Amino acid sequence: SQKIEQNSEALNIQEGKTATLTCNYTNYSPAYLQWYRQDPGRGPVFLLLIRENEKEKRKERLKVTFDTTLKQSLFHITASQPADSATYLCFKAAGNKLTFGGGTRVLVKP
Amino acid sequence: DAGITQSPRHKVTETGTPVTLRCHQTENHRYMYWYRQDPGHGLRLIHYSYGVKDTDKGEVSDGYSVSRSKTEDFLLTLESATSSQTSVYFCAISEAGADNSPLHFGNGTRLTVT
Repeated sequence: SQKIEQNSEALNIQEGKTATLTCNYTNYSPAYLQWYRQDPGRGPVFLLLIRENEKEKRKERLKVTFDTTLKQSLFHITASQPADSATYLCFKAAGNKLTFGGGTRVLVKP
Repeated sequence: DAGITQSPRHKVTETGTPVTLRCHQTENHRYMYWYRQDPGHGLRLIHYSYGVKDTDKGEVSDGYSVSRSKTEDFLLTLESATSSQTSVYFCAISEAGADNSPLHFGNGTRLTVT
């Protein structure tokens, strides 16, 4: 079965530093991999989508990499701010197999 | 929230009663999904729809049924609610299918089965 693993431990980081989150998946590599942000009591919000032929994707202070050899995606938040505190979810889809990782909670301290 | 409304937002019901949750979208997206989210399990797909009257099962479909008679509405029914179905339920929509376009989520329905 499809599995996505994210570090379940919360990531505590000082404001201004870079947060790096890891997403590891099993089985075949998806054509696309997506990252979402979820705040307490809210639904996930889409952040970035990266294709298998893209090594890196950026959006403002966010950067995602995709390594199909390692079956891994890294998600970076640069110059982190307290407003970045949330849970970040990795997601992959292949046909009707839609799989979310368990998410990593990030806490940015001022 | 990408024009997605879930109702009700909160519901408490008793074991054995039927429950229907509604998802309404104003985006005219073809694909609609129902997820449940539980501590320790993350988001898990219950059912999804790829068009009016076209639905399929997800990984945790037992005890749930769905219907989609109009593009804008996707209903999730618990025929006879059990305590294990206490959860937060999220509806999501996608323009071209989740394998190549983003999911947009509603803000969830918190269901408690006593």
